[in-house]
Amino acid sequence: DGGITQSPKYLFRKEGQNVTLSCEQNLNHDAMYWYRQDPGQGLRLIYYSQIVNDFQKGDIAEGYSVSREKKESFPLTVTSAQKNPTAFYLCASSDYRDRGQHYGYTFGSGTRLTVV
Amino acid sequence: GNSVTQMEGPVTLSEEAFLTINCTYTATGYPSLFWYVQYPGEGLQLLLKATKADDKGSNKGFEATYRKETTSFHLEKGSVQVSDSAVYFCALKGSGNTGKLIFGQGTTLQVKP
Repeated sequence: DGGITQSPKYLFRKEGQNVTLSCEQNLNHDAMYWYRQDPGQGLRLIYYSQIVNDFQKGDIAEGYSVSREKKESFPLTVTSAQKNPTAFYLCASSDYRDRGQHYGYTFGSGTRLTVV
Repeated sequence: GNSVTQMEGPVTLSEEAFLTINCTYTATGYPSLFWYVQYPGEGLQLLLKATKADDKGSNKGFEATYRKETTSFHLEKGSVQVSDSAVYFCALKGSGNTGKLIFGQGTTLQVKP
């Protein structure tokens, strides 16, 4: 079955440490997205990529970095510059070529990151 | 720019009550509209969608009608269950070819037995 896999499900980070969250999809989607969700809050866009080797900053990119070397993969690194990284991180993908705009996003099951 | 506004939660209902979660939008052109549901500790799942005016999306007893005249896409269910307790997000996808969804803030639904 096609879908998006995020790993790990839970991640603990020490102060000053960089951590990388994995996101892999086998849906052949061109576009991938990273969102941050804080308790009781909506979704805030961190980064997105519409094509391999290209990505754009979202609304809250500071302290995060991404890469898009393969169509299937869009890892997110939470750097030590991100002062408040504890949150639930969601990855999503979509068919960017959907000119009929009929399709939304497919989401992964999320990674919960906690600073210890 | 495009935006989505949802009613604030939490919405607390008794089992078998009627549910309405309001969603209004601002967009140019003819966006597609979506409702997503998020169960505790999980990602978002597409609940239903509508791609043109007067379309009605439906799934699992939930319905929403795309009202262009009122720029609304309210979510309704005739009889909620405890298992419907979740966070519901309204979203739109603009008619430009950017591919990005614009999400509302989410509305938490709590259904009590």
